[in-house]
Amino acid sequence: KQEVTQIPAALSVPEGENLVLNCSFTDSAIYNLQWFRQDPGKGLTSLLLIQSSQREQTSGRLNASLDKSSGRSTLYIAASQPGDSATYLCAPCRMGKLIFGQGTELSVKP
Amino acid sequence: EAQVTQNPRYLITVTGKKLTVTCSQNMNHEYMSWYRQDPGLGLRQIYYSMNVEVTDKGDVPEGYKVSRKEKRNFPLILESPSPNQTSLYFCASSLSRFPVNTEAFFGQGTRLTVV
Repeated sequence: KQEVTQIPAALSVPEGENLVLNCSFTDSAIYNLQWFRQDPGKGLTSLLLIQSSQREQTSGRLNASLDKSSGRSTLYIAASQPGDSATYLCAPCRMGKLIFGQGTELSVKP
Repeated sequence: EAQVTQNPRYLITVTGKKLTVTCSQNMNHEYMSWYRQDPGLGLRQIYYSMNVEVTDKGDVPEGYKVSRKEKRNFPLILESPSPNQTSLYFCASSLSRFPVNTEAFFGQGTRLTVV
């Protein structure tokens, strides 16, 4: 059974810092992995999708890496902004089913 | 605009009163699913559908029903809601799950309270 762990559970940083969010999963037989952002009481917004054959994916200030063999993914956020404050969820996917971690709650202070 | 639309966004109901949460997507996606999100438990899959008239149970299907009569719609039905179904519900869709999984898009969520 797939288990997903995200570390840290919460993170507070001053504006402008570069930061790394970590995700580990127990079953490496995944098809892809998605990173999502969730604002309080809101839906999930897809940030990045990494296929199992890829090592990393970039979108603007975001970079996600995937090491399937070791069951790890990281989300790197460059030059953080207050608008980045949200909960970040990673979800490895197999056969269409996403398994979610508990998320990292990020707060970026002005 | 490509989107997944859920209705209602908020619902308070009483135990045993049947309700339906609607979900519609305008992206011609084959794969649709329902998740519930609970504090400490995260998001868990309730039901999924690979295409019209094809549905199957996820991890927590008890107390729920779904149907997929049209490609764009995937309603979640609670025939006799109970307080333990109080949760935040999300509908999701993706283009396909074979041969390569594609990006999943989520609705804005439905906050359900059963009293």
